[in-house]
Amino acid sequence: NAGVTQTPKFRILKIGQSMTLQCTQDMNHNYMYWYRQDPGMGLKLIYYSVGAGITDKGEVPNGYNVSRSTTEDFPLRLELAAPSQTSVYFCASSYPLIRGTEAFFGQGTRLTVV
Amino acid sequence: KNEVEQSPQNLTAQEGEFITINCSYSVGISALHWLQQHPGGGIVSLFMLSSGKKKHGRLIATINIQEKHSSLHITASHPRDSAVYICAVEDSGGGADGLTFGKGTHLIIQP
Repeated sequence: NAGVTQTPKFRILKIGQSMTLQCTQDMNHNYMYWYRQDPGMGLKLIYYSVGAGITDKGEVPNGYNVSRSTTEDFPLRLELAAPSQTSVYFCASSYPLIRGTEAFFGQGTRLTVV
Repeated sequence: KNEVEQSPQNLTAQEGEFITINCSYSVGISALHWLQQHPGGGIVSLFMLSSGKKKHGRLIATINIQEKHSSLHITASHPRDSAVYICAVEDSGGGADGLTFGKGTHLIIQP
């Protein structure tokens, strides 16, 4: 099983450029998430989705956009890259249990904006 | 919003030692997760707990809902256990809107 797949793994962007971080999962999970991880900080939620066609802002959504046209895919778009968006980005998916959810994470995308 | 605190932030131990990492949170939750992240690598889920205790190999996770506290134990530690261990919680409204994470505990096991 592939699980959660993110691409690319590494990327260097110039200020003002745009890019899309791809995320796909093959587990038929309704819930999907984008987090960013900065040094010395806990992961922060950027956007999440509870199903195809439904997205919502997390804690740090500014500068990002998402879409969820299918259950499998949840791309994250950076329109005008800024140095503050240098970070490691993780996509995750989960499914609900009787209590709590089972979470699966991608391998991460290390993005540097110069 | 929940506040998640982990201790210690950094831990260096010798191979074979018993390791304990602690996690506390401020508001009632539906579940708590322990995650592992190797340097430059992805994040792997170790445990999801809503009560009591779980064991997987040399890893044991416990949670005390009344005290809002969880511990992750590693028995007979080995250098391959070196990683960042992250505690994360789901608010009591359910996990659909994501997890709140601690800052992680950086563990190094020396041979």
